Amino acid sequence: SQQGEEDPQALSIQEGENATMNCSYKTSINNLQWYRQNSGRGLVHLILIRSNEREKHSGRLRVTLDTSKKSSSLLITASRAADTASYFCATAVSGTYKYIFGTGTRLKVLA
Amino acid sequence: DVKVTQSSRYLVKRTGEKVFLECVQDMDHENMFWYRQDPGLGLRLIYFSYDVKMKEKGDIPEGYSVSREKKERFSLILESASTNQTSMYLCASTRVTEAFFGQGTRLTVV
Repeated sequence: SQQGEEDPQALSIQEGENATMNCSYKTSINNLQWYRQNSGRGLVHLILIRSNEREKHSGRLRVTLDTSKKSSSLLITASRAADTASYFCATAVSGTYKYIFGTGTRLKVLA
Repeated sequence: DVKVTQSSRYLVKRTGEKVFLECVQDMDHENMFWYRQDPGLGLRLIYFSYDVKMKEKGDIPEGYSVSREKKERFSLILESASTNQTSMYLCASTRVTEAFFGQGTRLTVV
């Protein structure tokens, strides 16, 4: 399986704290993306980082990418209760049309 | 506003039935995907299609087939449904930098 893994599987924090989740992948990639899934729904795209980038910011989101370690991290700063969701990384595999998703991190932000 | 629509939100089928899950996108994307999602396992790729009538197996194709007769429509077929195919099924279509998902179909096989 080419599926990546995320760590931790579940994370529970207080509102206002930062949340960090990590993703490891197995293949060569063109880019890596993070998605959010509210309970029982489809996934929504959050942010993309290309394979030649090391860090990217979007609002309260910060993504890093280390291609030598085949890993990425997503930081959500000043978390809110509305950030409660599952977060998935996805890799666009080089030379293919495939998107491979990780196993996800369930984030719970307590008000 | 981009849209990927799956034909059913909830479906209950009997063991041995042939099941069709339909997905339609209105973005003129070449690539479409079917995933299943199970607790603790994330999204696993079943099949994908990169053009009309073209398909490739993903990581878990056994027990499934697909059909793409028109660019906007990608169907997942369970030839003979089994209880271990009870799951959430997610369809997606992609452009180079982003995947767009349907709302998911929760299938229960009894």
